[in-house]
Amino acid sequence: NAGVTQTPKFQVLKTGQSMTLQCAQDMNHNSMYWYRQDPGMGLRLIYYSASEGTTDKGEVPNGYNVSRLNKREFSLRLESAAPSQTSVYFCASKPGQGAQPQHFGDGTRLSIL
Amino acid sequence: RKEVEQDPGPFNVPEGATVAFNCTYSNSASQSFFWYRQDCRKEPKLLMSVYSSGNEDGRFTAQLNRASQYISLLIRDSKLSDSATYLCVVRRDTGNQFYFGTGTSLTVIP
Repeated sequence: NAGVTQTPKFQVLKTGQSMTLQCAQDMNHNSMYWYRQDPGMGLRLIYYSASEGTTDKGEVPNGYNVSRLNKREFSLRLESAAPSQTSVYFCASKPGQGAQPQHFGDGTRLSIL
Repeated sequence: RKEVEQDPGPFNVPEGATVAFNCTYSNSASQSFFWYRQDCRKEPKLLMSVYSSGNEDGRFTAQLNRASQYISLLIRDSKLSDSATYLCVVRRDTGNQFYFGTGTSLTVIP
């Protein structure tokens, strides 16, 4: 079972470059999330999608855009990367709205020089 | 004030010891509670959900105190493999957002 798959695993960018982080889940989940994790900060929500066709801002959305391409896929785009966006990015999903826990992908380590 | 607060530790305990972590949350509307485990450079993985009456899963026991707005995790008979960071996670009754603590680091020493 693949669960939540993120690509790429690692990426180094220069300031100003753009890139898209991909996330796909095969669990037929409705809700998907993008987080960033920085030392001493815990996981912070960037954007989420409660269901196909909807997206909402989280705690730290500035500098990012998202697309819920279909039920399986939720991508995160950095239009003009900045060093402050150096982080580990995690995608997560869960079945729907309600008390179920989230399942995480194994992360993308992004460095911006 | 942070939505969820945890003592970062580190907690260094010998094998076989019992160790407890607490986590406090600021919003009384919080309704769903979880403990996740995160190994170094890995993704968070669900350890257990926390129910109002408290719940146990093998050596792990989770408790919820709504009046004082904290949850706890007790690990009995610690194993070397329990070494990890433990994340407290809270979800409010409205919206679809989860709030994560910064984690508590545990090292179990032989």
